[in-house]
Amino acid sequence: EPEVTQTPSHQVTQMGQEVILRCVPISNHLYFYWYRQILGQKVEFLVSFYNNEISEKSEIFDDQFSVERPDGSNFTLKIRSTKLEDSAMYFCASREDGNTEAFFGQGTRLTVV
Amino acid sequence: KNEVEQSPQNLTAQEGEFITINCSYSVGISALHWLQQHPGGGIVSLFMLSSGKKKHGRLIATINIQEKHSSLHITASHPRDSAVYICAGPRSQGNLIFGKGTKLSVKP
Repeated sequence: EPEVTQTPSHQVTQMGQEVILRCVPISNHLYFYWYRQILGQKVEFLVSFYNNEISEKSEIFDDQFSVERPDGSNFTLKIRSTKLEDSAMYFCASREDGNTEAFFGQGTRLTVV
Repeated sequence: KNEVEQSPQNLTAQEGEFITINCSYSVGISALHWLQQHPGGGIVSLFMLSSGKKKHGRLIATINIQEKHSSLHITASHPRDSAVYICAGPRSQGNLIFGKGTKLSVKP
């Protein structure tokens, strides 16, 4: 069964460092998303991406965040200068179209020290 | 203002019990996802429904559009069903608004 894959599964980084979280969405899907979940809290929307551009972003998604689809398969989230409060589980998701079920990756646990 | 509300927050059941988790959502959400999150953190999609009822194995999801309410039922619960169950609704752009989740623990 097709699945969304995320790498790495865990990432520890020093405050102020840049990190890139990687996702490979399901191949025929057109809509891509990043969500995050701070420990003990609910999952929050960060950004959606369609047709090679951001379609919507939340207020969490400030200038330190960026997304890219550098080739036909990868979808990346970059955090330019990490802060302690960026520590969270980051989930990538994809959908075939805007009305179909979303499929999630297993997440990347980011710890900023 | 939270547009997706779940209850209960925590639920403990004995193996074999019938379990119901409820979700209410606000105007503007046209369909509902039920998701499962295991202790390792990964999220698995269980159902997406916009009307009626869906069944997959021992899991049943129902939705009432008029009342903006959905339920997830688990029949003959098992310890392996222990997880956090989350309902989420898509906004117009398709991004999901999540409920806070219901932590289910099924005791043998």
